[in-house]
Amino acid sequence: GQQVMQIPQYQHVQEGEDFTTYCNSSTTLSNIQWYKQRPGGHPVFLIQLVKSGEVKKQKRLTFQFGEAKKNSSLHITATQTTDVGTYFCAGSDGNQFYFGTGTSLTVIP
Amino acid sequence: NAGVTQTPKFQVLKTGQSMTLQCAQDMNHEYMSWYRQDPGMGLRLIHYSVGAGITDQGEVPNGYNVSRSTTEDFPLRLLSAAPSQTSVYFCASRRAFENAGTQYFGPGTRLTVL
Repeated sequence: GQQVMQIPQYQHVQEGEDFTTYCNSSTTLSNIQWYKQRPGGHPVFLIQLVKSGEVKKQKRLTFQFGEAKKNSSLHITATQTTDVGTYFCAGSDGNQFYFGTGTSLTVIP
Repeated sequence: NAGVTQTPKFQVLKTGQSMTLQCAQDMNHEYMSWYRQDPGMGLRLIHYSVGAGITDQGEVPNGYNVSRSTTEDFPLRLLSAAPSQTSVYFCASRRAFENAGTQYFGPGTRLTVL
């Protein structure tokens, strides 16, 4: 069945350092979405990538979708304490979304 | 707009009890879904619906029923609660077409089954 793997599971960084989380799918995806979830909160949509090789930026966040549409990454430049939370990718087969297990980011001031 | 609302926020059940988790959205979204979130396992799809009168199973449907009589509401029924159903349940909605973009999540229901 469809699987979306996400690494690392945890990441601790000093404030100002960069952070990257990676997602890999066992099958080709229709699109991939990224979410952020604060402790005790609900997932909040960040972005959707649709095209092969697509790169999108939101301020300090850069999202990439692989050429084969089977992998994706989220990179945060110069982390801030407000970036704390768990980041999830969710790959779609055109009908359902399959979530990765998430990367929990801790930012040390 | 209220977005996606869920009730209750917290619930404790005894094994074997049944209950309904409520979900409503006011964005006229065709697609609604239920996820459960367990530590270290991300979110897993239970059931989804692409419109009123249409429902389908996700990854982990056993022990749950859904119906979609209106566009706005998508309740999730636990038929006979088991401790393995202790989890946080999220309802979500979005437009139904492929690559529809933003999926909105409700605040969640934290369920404990004793």
